[in-house]
Amino acid sequence: SAVISQKPSRDICQRGTSLTIQCQVDSQVTMMFWYRQQPGQSLTLIATANQGSEATYESGFVIDKFPISRPNLTFSTLTVSNMSPEDSSIYLCSVDLQRGSSAFFGQGTRLTVV
Amino acid sequence: AQTVTQSQPEMSVQEAETVTLSCTYDTSENNYYLFWYKQPPSRQMILVIRQEAYKQQNATENRFSVNFQKAAKSFSLKISDSQLGDTAMYFCAFMKGGGGADGLTFGKGTHLIIQP
Repeated sequence: SAVISQKPSRDICQRGTSLTIQCQVDSQVTMMFWYRQQPGQSLTLIATANQGSEATYESGFVIDKFPISRPNLTFSTLTVSNMSPEDSSIYLCSVDLQRGSSAFFGQGTRLTVV
Repeated sequence: AQTVTQSQPEMSVQEAETVTLSCTYDTSENNYYLFWYKQPPSRQMILVIRQEAYKQQNATENRFSVNFQKAAKSFSLKISDSQLGDTAMYFCAFMKGGGGADGLTFGKGTHLIIQP
């Protein structure tokens, strides 16, 4: 299994500002994934972060809005830039230890933009 | 692209009853994995059960079992002897197999309420 520490657990931010979310894993993993869960909705994949290369973004998500860093095999950050109230969501990071085994999730960051 | 459909937004049953949550999916892939995740109010995503598409035998984990119908692209979750702690959102999810780097595709979820 994997233990994922995600920080902050929640934050309230002013519109127009940026927030960086951190995700730390207790083991080395190749791929890390970032998801968004809008209020009352399901999880939607934002991007896949592979150490040593640019993140791969899903349709509807762009690097300027959600820049991702992946400096090593145990850590990643997601920044939500120039926030608006529509960005109010839960953001979760996730890892696969082995393809198809299971995805392990951080506890999520509840972001409220006012 | 894959799609996952959960047609039951909310279900409510009495404690100790058996409940079945439905999930259908659409894919052109032959190699894939299916999952059920539970999300309680703490918002932590917890794996309930997983199924490998190439395995015909339905997965079972204690009180949780699935009915995997590959031809029908159906993947329902049965919870036996339901408990109050089973109250949560349940998400059905799909993952492509092979050596790719794809994440999970989730259904919209079913809010399961276990009544005392």
